Amino acid sequence: QKEVEQNSGPLSVPEGAIASLNCTYSDRGSQSFFWYRQYSGKSPELIMFIYSNGDKEDGRFTAQLNKASQYVSLLIRDSQPSDSATYLCAVDSNSGYALNFGKGTSLLVTP
Amino acid sequence: DTGVSQDPRHKITKRGQNVTFRCDPISEHNRLYWYRQTLGQGPEFLTYFQNEAQLEKSRLLSDRFSAERPKGSFSTLEIQRTEQGDSAMYLCASSQGLAGITDTQYFGPGTRLTVL
Repeated sequence: QKEVEQNSGPLSVPEGAIASLNCTYSDRGSQSFFWYRQYSGKSPELIMFIYSNGDKEDGRFTAQLNKASQYVSLLIRDSQPSDSATYLCAVDSNSGYALNFGKGTSLLVTP
Repeated sequence: DTGVSQDPRHKITKRGQNVTFRCDPISEHNRLYWYRQTLGQGPEFLTYFQNEAQLEKSRLLSDRFSAERPKGSFSTLEIQRTEQGDSAMYLCASSQGLAGITDTQYFGPGTRLTVL
């Protein structure tokens, strides 16, 4: 079983809409959760991290964590064409401080 | 620029050759990580250092791979006898090293390796 699962997409949303990206993880003991954005040919760029159940907001981004359901999501409000990228969900591993990444969800925001 | 830097950005080599990559972490970051990413996949963990100590290695890190972080500053990743399957983006990341948690990792621009 893959430790971090994401729908590969592509997820297509119109400009100005809310994009919802989802991620599930298998290790109940996971404590640290991260969302990275990756443009084609570039390295991952941190968007948000979340450690506690509930919502965490930063500008147009909201991360949601539900440890009971082993589910973490990222909402992007007022989506812009510049948000078009692959979004990677990362979860701490059960040993050491490495991150386990999902394969990423490709987001396309159409003008 | 105070971010993570990597050198070279691109490397093309022939199968069987040795290659070495360098990573300079964010100043004062104690932890340094190496990941590998292939097309359509998320980054896969290779190894990490706490200061100069290499504390964890993935099973992906075969005996052809070796990493060092002398004096707890920059790090090098060497691949010996490269194979075509080694072609990937090699990513370095660093974090402060907050005790007891997996803290935020900041990635460098990566080194893209192509093995012919």
